[in-house]
Amino acid sequence: QVQLQQSGPGLVKPSQTLSLTCAISGDSVSSNSATWEWIRQSPSRGLEWLGRTYYKSKWYIDYAISVERRITISPDTSKNHFSLQLNSVTPEDTAVYFCARGGTTVEDWFDPWGQGTLVTVSS
Amino acid sequence: DIQMTQSPSSLSAPIGDRVTLTCRASQSIGSYLNWYQQKPGKAPKILIYGVSNLQSGVPSRFSGSGSGTDFTLTISSLQPEDFATYYCQQSYSTPLTFGGGTKVEIK
Repeated sequence: QVQLQQSGPGLVKPSQTLSLTCAISGDSVSSNSATWEWIRQSPSRGLEWLGRTYYKSKWYIDYAISVERRITISPDTSKNHFSLQLNSVTPEDTAVYFCARGGTTVEDWFDPWGQGTLVTVSS
Repeated sequence: DIQMTQSPSSLSAPIGDRVTLTCRASQSIGSYLNWYQQKPGKAPKILIYGVSNLQSGVPSRFSGSGSGTDFTLTISSLQPEDFATYYCQQSYSTPLTFGGGTKVEIK
């Protein structure tokens, strides 16, 4: 079955870059039917979709407007993983970050999810 | 953005009770509505997709209904393992958005 394994630091200093990776097993980042998502959760913002990447004859990337000037999501086909970078972080970016698999049709949902990474933005 | 509003934000009920959770979308989303269950320290888990389709392995005491802007998740007989927070999520358009959650607690 598909499994997602997240990795990355749990503490980031203000103004620096948050970087997380999500390793995929049991599926391919280049799948034509899957999307690869980043979602975060905090008490103040709840569950917040950040963006996704997917391949459908070519690579597509969608970002939430709230973070689009600071975010990069990128696939790595050689390692079968995808990554999140969030620049210029502030304490408001403190959250549990999840990766998840979605689908390329509007009927799709998020499943499975990674285990979550608590990222704290603090000096 | 489509806003998803869940009510109540929390509820307390005894084992065996029938509970109904509500999710309202700020505009019509057809049948593109999913429900997740989240337990403390864990990632959300898909329960129901497309309003009323149970994910494999989900007990039949869970059911979903609705269309357009108003949706419900019903647990027909609350069990100890059902105490969790439940989230709705629309897949109709990006940005994909979630409701604020309903926390179901033991009475």
